[in-house]
Amino acid sequence: AQRVTQPEKLLSVFKGAPVELKCNYSYSGSPELFWYVQYSRQRLQLLLRHISRESIKGFTADLNKGETSFHLKKPFAQEEDSAMYYCALSGKGDDKIIFGKGTRLHILP
Amino acid sequence: DAGVIQSPRHEVTEMGQEVTLRCKPISGHNSLFWYRQTMMRGLELLIYFNNNVPIDDSGMPEDRFSAKMPNASFSTLKIQPSEPRDSAVYFCASSLMGTAAYNEQFFGPGTRLTVL
Repeated sequence: AQRVTQPEKLLSVFKGAPVELKCNYSYSGSPELFWYVQYSRQRLQLLLRHISRESIKGFTADLNKGETSFHLKKPFAQEEDSAMYYCALSGKGDDKIIFGKGTRLHILP
Repeated sequence: DAGVIQSPRHEVTEMGQEVTLRCKPISGHNSLFWYRQTMMRGLELLIYFNNNVPIDDSGMPEDRFSAKMPNASFSTLKIQPSEPRDSAVYFCASSLMGTAAYNEQFFGPGTRLTVL
């Protein structure tokens, strides 16, 4: 079964400290992985996708097929990073996306 | 471009009433997705359309839920009769048709539904 697991509902990190949002997936094949973000009073939006191998707003995510993980990392947290983060996957060639339950990141001053 | 438009933004209704949520996708997008967001279950895909045709409705919870897309610029999600457990935020998203890896989904602001 296809599944995305985000073990932390809430993660609190001090400003300037490193951030790691955990994401594990279950999929019988080669999935495409994404991170979506929803800032307060804004729409849910794509943050990054592993296929692009990009860094957005200082965030990176590496697909680890052995551990079936796609953790989101940032070396130095900023207050504007406070938001709800969703890890998601799609099957290769698939139109639809399956989302995890989300992790709320709270950056402490 | 206003992006994906959803109406109403908030809906409060009583159990047993019919509820209709509306969505206008981004012009030129030919895939449309309906999601439901709850604290317990997170963000779940209910149904999606390609070129106005329903492709996968396996996420629709029960027969009380129905969705239509009569043309490329309008879709509705209807709940009849509504129940308190339907209370959630309902999102609509649109994209160009094709694999999700290459076609970003753009989300609307959501409709917060409360069924009393």
